[in-house]
Amino acid sequence: KAGVTQTPRYLIKTRGQQVTLSCSPISGHRSVSWYQQTPGQGLQFLFEYFSETQRNKGNFPGRFSGRQFSNSRSEMNVSTLELGDSALYLCASSPGQPGANVLTFGAGSRLTVL
Amino acid sequence: DQQVKQNSPSLSVQEGRISILNCDYTNSMFDYFLWYKKYPAEGPTFLISISSIKDKNEDGRFTVFLNKSAKHLSLHIVPSQPGDSAVYFCAALISSGSARQLTFGSGTQLTVLP
Repeated sequence: KAGVTQTPRYLIKTRGQQVTLSCSPISGHRSVSWYQQTPGQGLQFLFEYFSETQRNKGNFPGRFSGRQFSNSRSEMNVSTLELGDSALYLCASSPGQPGANVLTFGAGSRLTVL
Repeated sequence: DQQVKQNSPSLSVQEGRISILNCDYTNSMFDYFLWYKKYPAEGPTFLISISSIKDKNEDGRFTVFLNKSAKHLSLHIVPSQPGDSAVYFCAALISSGSARQLTFGSGTQLTVLP
């Protein structure tokens, strides 16, 4: 059974640009969550999508957005990149139903903003 | 306001000995707790979890203990092996909600010395 796949694994952007990251969840999983990992802040919740609807959102500015497609694949977008957006962006999937509490993470997309 | 805290950034133990990683939480609404292990350049991997209706859960070399009154949980690894060297994150969840949002601690770097 394939795991959670994130692309690209590494990317470099400059300030002011935008970036789109992609996540393919485990087959059958309908919930996709995104987390940002930085050395100073640890793992911070960005948002969660379930059946193409944003179900929950963390405390991040509006420059961070996401969407989910009918096949449960998800993308997140960061516009007007800032140096502080340099981080590992992790996607996690789960079945999404109550009681399904374990999230399975992908390997992450390492974003460097210059 | 950090709702989940791991106060030890690092821990070193000898191979074969017990490793004890600690985690404290402040939000009494959390009712499900998970431990993840993370190697560099990989996503977090689920290790073990515990519901608040239990005070202990065991899986092979890994045991998680939960003390609800103290809002404290710990992960015991016995015996510790060099391959256990990684960053360990504890995470908490309000399982009754529809959203699957994990709140993470800042992590503890475990080094198992041969």
